[in-house]
Amino acid sequence: GESVGLHLPTLSVQEGDNSIINCAYSNSASDYFIWYKQESGKGPQFIIDIRSNMDKRQGQRVTVLLNKTVKHLSLQIAATQPGDSAVYFCAEKKEQAGTALIFGKGTTLSVSS
Amino acid sequence: KAGVTQTPRYLIKTRGQQVTLSCSPISGHRSVSWYQQTPGQGLQFLFEYFSETQRNKGNFPGRFSGRQFSNSRSEMNVSTLELGDSALYLCASRPHSWILGIATGELFFGEGSRLTVL
Repeated sequence: GESVGLHLPTLSVQEGDNSIINCAYSNSASDYFIWYKQESGKGPQFIIDIRSNMDKRQGQRVTVLLNKTVKHLSLQIAATQPGDSAVYFCAEKKEQAGTALIFGKGTTLSVSS
Repeated sequence: KAGVTQTPRYLIKTRGQQVTLSCSPISGHRSVSWYQQTPGQGLQFLFEYFSETQRNKGNFPGRFSGRQFSNSRSEMNVSTLELGDSALYLCASRPHSWILGIATGELFFGEGSRLTVL
């Protein structure tokens, strides 16, 4: 089975709202987590990453939270804009998987004006 | 700086044929990974190449193969195509391989090659 998944396949928000996209992972040995954004017709684009020895990391308008106790990862987008509409994937790297990233199936974020 | 370039962007093949996809990584990047993206299975790791050597391989049949050249450009090949091979094939590059213990940094994806098998 898949080790990284997202709680909701779709999320609809209003422009200006804060968005929270969630992801659960099952392997406590994973040491690195990444969020990617994929717009229609394009390849995934890196948003932010976090190592397992951290519980929070902030970027520009985005924050990633890692809760190792419940194996939960979330991406918070502040003041969501129409340009944030895309599919968001979380990914993990497992020690035993070597160099491979394991991706979740994605959450489609729709931002309405 | 040019991004990851994949060719062709779109192609249509029939069952039983074979296909070769090409990827040019970002200049200076030595690690190239390939992923298959389908609506049903999402993004799945195919393989990674670093310094012309396959470093890791995902759970795909032997019909899927790849190689990397001395200039870091990579190709992947799928032989005896099946309907289920229809997918977006994504190439991604980064400066180093994670096998070197550098477990951070972006993975830069190309826009993919969309393969349709009829």
